[in-house]
Amino acid sequence: EVQLLESGGGLVQPGGSLRLSCAASGFTFNNYAMNWVRQAPGKGLEWVLSVSGGRPTTHYADSVKGRFTISRDNSKNTLYLQMNSLRAEDTAVYYCARRSIGGDAFDIWGQGTMVTVSS
Amino acid sequence: SVLTQPPSVSVAPGQTASITCGGNNLGSQSVHWYQQKPGQAPVLVVYDNDDRPSGIPERFSGSNSGSTATLTISRVEAGDEADYYCQVWDSTTEGVFGGGTKVTVL
Repeated sequence: EVQLLESGGGLVQPGGSLRLSCAASGFTFNNYAMNWVRQAPGKGLEWVLSVSGGRPTTHYADSVKGRFTISRDNSKNTLYLQMNSLRAEDTAVYYCARRSIGGDAFDIWGQGTMVTVSS
Repeated sequence: SVLTQPPSVSVAPGQTASITCGGNNLGSQSVHWYQQKPGQAPVLVVYDNDDRPSGIPERFSGSNSGSTATLTISRVEAGDEADYYCQVWDSTTEGVFGGGTKVTVL
């Protein structure tokens, strides 16, 4: 079964750091570009970052540039999100999502992990 | 890119719901649609304007022309009540979502 499973969310103080993980299974991980999409409480979806497959290139939304880093370990079939200098407005459910090959939709999503930035 | 969706759409069971997504020259891009039910992750329901992933009912269809893409849900059921989001790629590197439309089944 094709599956993405996020972990690492929690409560962190403003200015703090957190690392999220997304474990992939059921497909050839390094063939796919992977993304992080977040959703603040009661709000819509916001694309945040992406990393390509084989030779990774990354792209960031302006809202997280310089603070968040996306990376992947293809040997472990795992996607990461390192979040530094966290702000209250980063409070959200963070989803990892696979970008389909051939097309470019987010065809597989994880269940999400909640990040709360609060003192 | 900025994608504009109506905040809400109401429809009676068995009728047709149309959800629009507006954007500059949107017809030249591939638009994808996601369904999100409360407390759940989004699910892809239409990709590349008008294709359906396996397992998505034929009642879900899409179109895209000019500056407007449309997701159409035919013969609406109570289980279709959800938030729906359109999405494109800006310059192929930055994802953009519409603000979402809440579909209420009366």
